[in-house]
Amino acid sequence: AQSVTQPDIHITVSEGASLELRCNYSYGATPYLFWYVQSPGQGLQLLLKYFSGDTLVQGIKGFEAEFKRSQSSFNLRKPSVHWSDAAEYFCAVGAWNAGNMLTFGGGTRLMVKP
Amino acid sequence: EADIYQTPRYLVIGTGKKITLECSQTMGHDKMYWYQQDPGMELHLIHYSYGVNSTEKGDLSSESTVSRIRTEHFPLTLESARPSHTSQYLCASSPGTSGGQDTQYFGPGTRLTVL
Repeated sequence: AQSVTQPDIHITVSEGASLELRCNYSYGATPYLFWYVQSPGQGLQLLLKYFSGDTLVQGIKGFEAEFKRSQSSFNLRKPSVHWSDAAEYFCAVGAWNAGNMLTFGGGTRLMVKP
Repeated sequence: EADIYQTPRYLVIGTGKKITLECSQTMGHDKMYWYQQDPGMELHLIHYSYGVNSTEKGDLSSESTVSRIRTEHFPLTLESARPSHTSQYLCASSPGTSGGQDTQYFGPGTRLTVL
């Protein structure tokens, strides 16, 4: 069975600083990887996804993520964080042999200092 | 991005009441899902559906039930609410693309409080 680990429960960065949120997955075959963002009291919004091809994927709101098969990682990055980026971020893996179900990580809460 | 709606957004109700959380999507997606999420915690799949008249239980055991009579509608019902049911409930849908390349789109959630 697949699993997803987000090692950082909380991260605080200053506005304008760069950001990297870590995501490690465990899955025996080619994973399909997603990053979602959840603002307080809201549902999840898809930031980006990786299915195949270029391992650096671009998403909305200036986010990007890089798939590294050798490290089983799919880290999310943003070069300059805005105060509105404060939210909960979830990494997820989809598996073709699990009925296309998603397995979510525990989430990382991002706080942005002015 | 899919249009998916949940009502009510917030619900405070007494123990023993029957409640139904509504979820509708306008994208014609075959698959729909219900997740339960406690504050600051990960999502747990409680129900899903592959299409009309299809319902399955998810990874997390739940006392709730679901139905799928129409493609666009996937309501969740609790026959007798208890304080342990207090949580946020998120509905999602996906087109059902095969091979794992299936993207789920989420509604805004219903925050349920049972007193």
